[in-house]
Amino acid sequence: NAGVTQTPKFRILKIGQSMTLQCTQDMNHNYMYWYRQDPGMGLKLIYYSVGAGITDKGEVPNGYNVSRSTTEDFPLRLELAAPSQTSVYFCASSYSRDRPTLAKNIQYFGAGTRLSVL
Amino acid sequence: KNEVEQSPQNLTAQEGEFITINCSYSVGISALHWLQQHPGGGIVSLFMLSSGKKKHGRLIATINIQEKHSSLHITASHPRDSAVYICAVRGLNSGYALNFGKGTSLLVTP
Repeated sequence: NAGVTQTPKFRILKIGQSMTLQCTQDMNHNYMYWYRQDPGMGLKLIYYSVGAGITDKGEVPNGYNVSRSTTEDFPLRLELAAPSQTSVYFCASSYSRDRPTLAKNIQYFGAGTRLSVL
Repeated sequence: KNEVEQSPQNLTAQEGEFITINCSYSVGISALHWLQQHPGGGIVSLFMLSSGKKKHGRLIATINIQEKHSSLHITASHPRDSAVYICAVRGLNSGYALNFGKGTSLLVTP
């Protein structure tokens, strides 16, 4: 039972480079999220999706793009990497219509991607 | 935006001690989550609650909706409880997105 899988685990980028952080879940969850975690700060929501084909901005979307072509996958794209995007990125998922009501809202997290932009 | 404040920021305890971590938030919520972030970075959900109290093993979470306050208690603490404990809230009108506190770093020494 894989849960939420993120790749890569670590990456170093040069300023101006692009990359895609991959996220896939096998729990048939409708909702998926991307967060960033900076040292000493709480997780901040970058983008989220309530289902295939539907995405929306969170608190800190600038410099990022997402797509949701399937239920399982929710990649996060950095187009022109900047040092301010150095962070740990977490993907999470929640809400399956197949689950009991109380379990619907629990978020399941991937292991994280540690990104440095130099 | 719902401000989520946790206290203390850092906590060191001896094995066996009873531990309390506090969380306060500023506006009405539909649910509050407690999560644990392991030293390796992984995050797992411990509790989700909207009223009262929940217990799982040595962990107990309580919430007082009127006072906008929640506590996470660890009984008979153990070094393997060392982690960052994160409080997060879901607002009444924010769908399923969560607003996170900065976390409480707990170290339990033998």
